Amino acid sequence: ETGVTQSPTHLIKTRGQQVTLRCSSQSGHNTVSWYQQALGQGPQFIFQYYREEENGRGNFPPRFSGLQFPNYSSELNVNALELDDSALYLCASSVLRGPLNEQFFGPGTRLTVL
Amino acid sequence: DQQVKQNSPSLSVQEGRISILNCDYTNSMFDYFLWYKKYPAEGPTFLISISSIKDKNEDGRFTVFLNKSAKHLSLHIVPSQPGDSAVYFCAASDEDSGGSNYKLTFGKGTLLTVNP
Repeated sequence: ETGVTQSPTHLIKTRGQQVTLRCSSQSGHNTVSWYQQALGQGPQFIFQYYREEENGRGNFPPRFSGLQFPNYSSELNVNALELDDSALYLCASSVLRGPLNEQFFGPGTRLTVL
Repeated sequence: DQQVKQNSPSLSVQEGRISILNCDYTNSMFDYFLWYKKYPAEGPTFLISISSIKDKNEDGRFTVFLNKSAKHLSLHIVPSQPGDSAVYFCAASDEDSGGSNYKLTFGKGTLLTVNP
């Protein structure tokens, strides 16, 4: 049983550019949530995807968007990057309505916006 | 508006002693609480949780206490070991958020250092 993986590990972009981050779910999981963890902060919920559709969203602007694929992997896209988007981006896979303590996090992608 | 607060950024404890990490919350709709441990370059890993219908949950060296009236929970680690050194996050969920049990709300974390 493979765990949650994310790619790339690190990424450097400049302001105004667009970025795509990827996440592969744990086997058997059908739901992916994305979180942003800024330096010195806790993870903040961006959105969740289930069956290829957005299933809930946090307080993030529309330039943060996502996709989920039939194999339950997911992408996070951020357009028009701003300096404040520099953060660790975490994805977590789970089973919809499954136990909250069975939501597993990937190692994250560290995004730096210059 | 921080709904989950961990007011101690760091805590240092001697090996073998008790570590107590605290967490306060403001949203009375939260009904499920979790503690995660995070090592550098790894994602948070689930440690222990508690439902609002309980006031204590124990798992080996880890015990979580919940005081609903005070909107306070704490994580006790006894005895503390050097391998416990990590950032600990308190998180909360509101099952009324569409019943889809998404959206964990996290605190800022507490860096625990256990000295040999």
